[in-house]
Amino acid sequence: EPEVTQTPSHQVTQMGQEVILRCVPISNHLYFYWYRQILGQKVEFLVSFYNNEISEKSEIFDDQFSVERPDGSNFTLKIRSTKLEDSAMYFCASSGPGVPGEQFFGPGTRLTVL
Amino acid sequence: AQKITQTQPGMFVQEKEAVTLDCTYDTSDQSYGLFWYKQPSSGEMIFLIYQGSYDEQNATEGRYSLNFQKARKSANLVISASQLGDSAMYFCAMREEQLSTGNQFYFGTGTSLTVIP
Repeated sequence: EPEVTQTPSHQVTQMGQEVILRCVPISNHLYFYWYRQILGQKVEFLVSFYNNEISEKSEIFDDQFSVERPDGSNFTLKIRSTKLEDSAMYFCASSGPGVPGEQFFGPGTRLTVL
Repeated sequence: AQKITQTQPGMFVQEKEAVTLDCTYDTSDQSYGLFWYKQPSSGEMIFLIYQGSYDEQNATEGRYSLNFQKARKSANLVISASQLGDSAMYFCAMREEQLSTGNQFYFGTGTSLTVIP
């Protein structure tokens, strides 16, 4: 069964460093998303991406964040200068063509900023 | 205002019993989707069930059913015959289906379910 994959599973970085979180969505999906979940809290939407551009973003998704689909298969989230409060689990999700259906979530990347 | 409200931070249920997890939502859209996800302690998000706003019948998926009451804007998850493996965090979510595609989801704060043997 096709699934969304994410790498790495755990990333530790120093405050101020740039990180890139990688996702491979399900191959025929057209809509891509990033979410984050601070430990013990709810899942928060960051950004949605369709047709090679951002279609929606939340207040959390400020200038420190960017997304890219560099090669037609990967979908990346970059945080330019990490802050302590960026420590969270980051989930990638994708959904299929037509009317957006259920979102399939990846296993997540746990980001720890020291 | 919160888009999704889950008022039960924690719930306990006896194994083999049924349990209802509450969810209310807030939207002025006519077309929207409601979802439930399970998050075990391992952290992954697992899709459970979907209800479209125009669906007249309540969605069911195995032991999961969604009690959809549109006028009350509630979308409660019912788990029948609870199993120990059902112990997890459960999130209710909504997608507003506007003309633009790829809309964001709104998640509730979750309900932690513990199944007691």
